[in-house]
Amino acid sequence: QVQLQESGPGLVKPSQTLSLTCTVSGGSISSGGYYWSWIRQHPGKGLEWIGYIYYSGSTYYNPSLKSRVTISVDTSKNQFSLKLSSVTAADTAVYYCARGGMWKVYFDYWGQGTLVTVSS
Amino acid sequence: DIQMTQSPSSLSASVGDRVTITCRASQGISNYLAWYQQKPGKVPKLLIYAASTLQSGVPSRFSGSGSGTDFTLTISSLQPEDVATYYCQKYNSALSITFGQGTRLEIK
Repeated sequence: QVQLQESGPGLVKPSQTLSLTCTVSGGSISSGGYYWSWIRQHPGKGLEWIGYIYYSGSTYYNPSLKSRVTISVDTSKNQFSLKLSSVTAADTAVYYCARGGMWKVYFDYWGQGTLVTVSS
Repeated sequence: DIQMTQSPSSLSASVGDRVTITCRASQGISNYLAWYQQKPGKVPKLLIYAASTLQSGVPSRFSGSGSGTDFTLTISSLQPEDVATYYCQKYNSALSITFGQGTRLEIK
């Protein structure tokens, strides 16, 4: 059973960089076949895809966030990470990591989510 | 960009009712559509993919249909535990993932 767990600071100051890590257990990122993804949900709102990464390091980002997003992978630790720069209050959200199928990118496994608040 | 529009935005129905939620794409997406259920305070859960394929472990009262631009999620007999917000998601392009705005389902 694949499990994903987000970790990182719950509070980030405006203009700084939000950094989160997702640790995958029960399966290897290096085995391929999946896109490892970040999705966020603003309080009381819907779901927004941020981007995803393949184990090889290939990335795909939401065009609306592309200029501020970096997703990276560390296969030795079975982790992938999100960095979102120049954050504002509008980036306050629950951030989820999730697994999506390669080419058929629906999300079958999700982390529990972590609330990140942007505030001084 | 292809937009996904769900209707209604909220819905109230009685236990045992047949419930239908609609998702419309602004352009054709074949059957590259998934449905998720998010219970209050919980993580989204995949219900259906490829428009009509039930994810393992999902009760058979859930079903999906449609192709092209118009899709439906149907709950054949509403149960109290089905109270949730339901989202559709298109995945016709790996470069562009979009969710619908959600449909909140309540028990009358």
